[in-house]
Amino acid sequence: EAGVVQSPRYKIIEKKQPVAFWCNPISGHNTLYWYLQNLGQGPELLIRYENEEAVDDSQLPKDRFSAERLKGVDSTLKIQPAELGDSAVYLCASSLDGPGGHYNEQFFGPGTRLTVL
Amino acid sequence: RKEVEQDPGPFNVPEGATVAFNCTYSNSASQSFFWYRQDCRKEPKLLMSVYSSGNEDGRFTAQLNRASQYISLLIRDSKLSDSATYLCVVNSRGADGLTFGKGTHLIIQP
Repeated sequence: EAGVVQSPRYKIIEKKQPVAFWCNPISGHNTLYWYLQNLGQGPELLIRYENEEAVDDSQLPKDRFSAERLKGVDSTLKIQPAELGDSAVYLCASSLDGPGGHYNEQFFGPGTRLTVL
Repeated sequence: RKEVEQDPGPFNVPEGATVAFNCTYSNSASQSFFWYRQDCRKEPKLLMSVYSSGNEDGRFTAQLNRASQYISLLIRDSKLSDSATYLCVVNSRGADGLTFGKGTHLIIQP
């Protein structure tokens, strides 16, 4: 079974340029997450989707970041314009969660390593 | 108090030794707890879930202490391949959502 797929794996851009990341979760997984991870830190949640609904985007810097999950499957995360401080690894994860607040294992993609010059 | 706190280490441990580390959490309403393992420049992968009654998987034992709001991970007979960063994850419904700790870096030395 295929895991979580992310592309691109690496991206180098100049500041003020736009950038987009794509994620294809594991088939059938209803929950999709986007995380940001800096070196030496744990992943920080940016946004969580349950199917196509963004249920937690409180940590998403909405002035420059946007995300969508059309049809409740694939998702894209966009930054426009990128800033130097956005350099990090962007991780996508998916899980099959049940009702009532029970969370199951998250499966992570390999991440996109973004460098903003 | 931070939501999820871990000692970043590094913990330098000789091969074969037993090592344990804790993770404290601030939200008493937290419901789900996990330990993830992350190798250098790789994505995190689930090591084990943490159940109220504690659970064991081979050389690994995880425990939950709700009264003191911490979870622990014990590794017995450590192997060189156990060298990694161990991330504590605490999930709760509501505003706190999903939180990863910063991770504890473990180095097993020959």
